[in-house]
Formats: sequence, C-alpha cells, structure tokens
Amino acid sequence: GEDVEQSLFLSVREGDSSVINCTYTDSSSTYLYWYKQEPGAGLQLLTYIFSNMDMKQDQRLTVLLNKKDKHLSLRIADTQTGDSAIYFCAERHSSASKIIFGSGTRLSIRP
Amino acid sequence: DAEITQSPRHKITETGRQVTLACHQTWNHNNMFWYRQDLGHGLRLIHYSYGVHDTNKGEVSDGYSVSRSNTEDLPLTLESAASSQTSVYFCASSDDRGSETQYFGPGTRLLVL
Repeated sequence: GEDVEQSLFLSVREGDSSVINCTYTDSSSTYLYWYKQEPGAGLQLLTYIFSNMDMKQDQRLTVLLNKKDKHLSLRIADTQTGDSAIYFCAERHSSASKIIFGSGTRLSIRP
Repeated sequence: DAEITQSPRHKITETGRQVTLACHQTWNHNNMFWYRQDLGHGLRLIHYSYGVHDTNKGEVSDGYSVSRSNTEDLPLTLESAASSQTSVYFCASSDDRGSETQYFGPGTRLLVL
C-alpha cells in the first residue's frame, strides 16, 4: 500500500542546516513534494522533484532523492526563525491525482 | 489573482447537527480535495472530485459527503456531526497538467461539542 513516513520533530540552531527526512513505499511514485505549513495556515508547496531526478536545488533548499531506498530529504541551509513550521513530505503516482501525505515534521529553531 | 477560499474559518456546533463547510476556487481546476488534519495523523483524505458531478471517497469518508455541481465549488457536509469530527479541515485543488501541485485553502477549524 501507499505510505509516507516522517519523524515528528526536529530542533536546530539558528544558522545551522536542517535536514528533514522522509521514506515512502510506493516505488511507482512519479512526483515527490515538500510542503510547508505555518501556524494557522494551509499548506504551501515548497518544491517538488520528479522521480527520475536525484537532486534539485532552489536557493537555500536542496532535495535529495534515493529512489532505490525510497528516501527523500529536504535540506534547508542557514536555517532562520522564519523557517519554523511543519514540513510535509508527499508522493503522487503519475496515473492518479491524489497525493499521499506524511504526518509532517515540526521544525523548531533555537537561538 | 486566482485563489482558493474556505468558509467559515471557525465553527462550533453540537453533536448531531448537520454542518456544511464551503470551498471555492477560482483557478478553474478540475480536481478538488477535502482533507482533515489531526495531531499525529497528518493530512487524511476525506473525499475528492475530478470534475463536475464526479465524487470519490477517500480514506476517512464515513460521516461526510460532497457534491460537485460546478467547477468552482466542493462543499463538504457532515450529516450528523460527532465529537470525533472535531478537526481542522483543508480544501485543495489541482489541475490536470504537469506536476499537478495541489493548492490549499486556509482551513476551517471545526469544534463539535
């Protein structure tokens, strides 16, 4: 079946890099997403990666995909207080419009 | 600018009452989705629609219904509200092209007493 798993919490010091990890089970996933949810708000798409890519970089964000191990990670360089949020990993198969979400990782920043 | 809105943003109701949550999008997207968000469960899919008059059950559809009479709206109805349906509800929409990113509304916080 389809399942996406993430750790629930991550705490990092301001200025350090944050790495949020995710594993998924559907080997036929075509798109993998990272969403950000700030307090009291809906989810916003941060970035996505096609399953035929290994890495995608966008400013302070780096997504790494290990398709063999079904492992996805999001690295946030120079983490700032504004990065405090819940980060959701998600996957979608090309034949479906449904997206399967993980339970979210709450990132907290300490001074 | 195109957007997706939800109303009300907050709702308190009593057990057994019928409640309808509205979702409206102006992107002309074919696909619309309803999720509920609870601690420890992330986002769980309630119902979804791929177009007018199309509706499908998600993983937690019991006690909920939807109807799609036009492209812009997908109202979610709780037929007889239960305390277990206290949650934050998110509506989302997506198109049929490319990465098919889902765009989320701001959420409705529902409390069933």
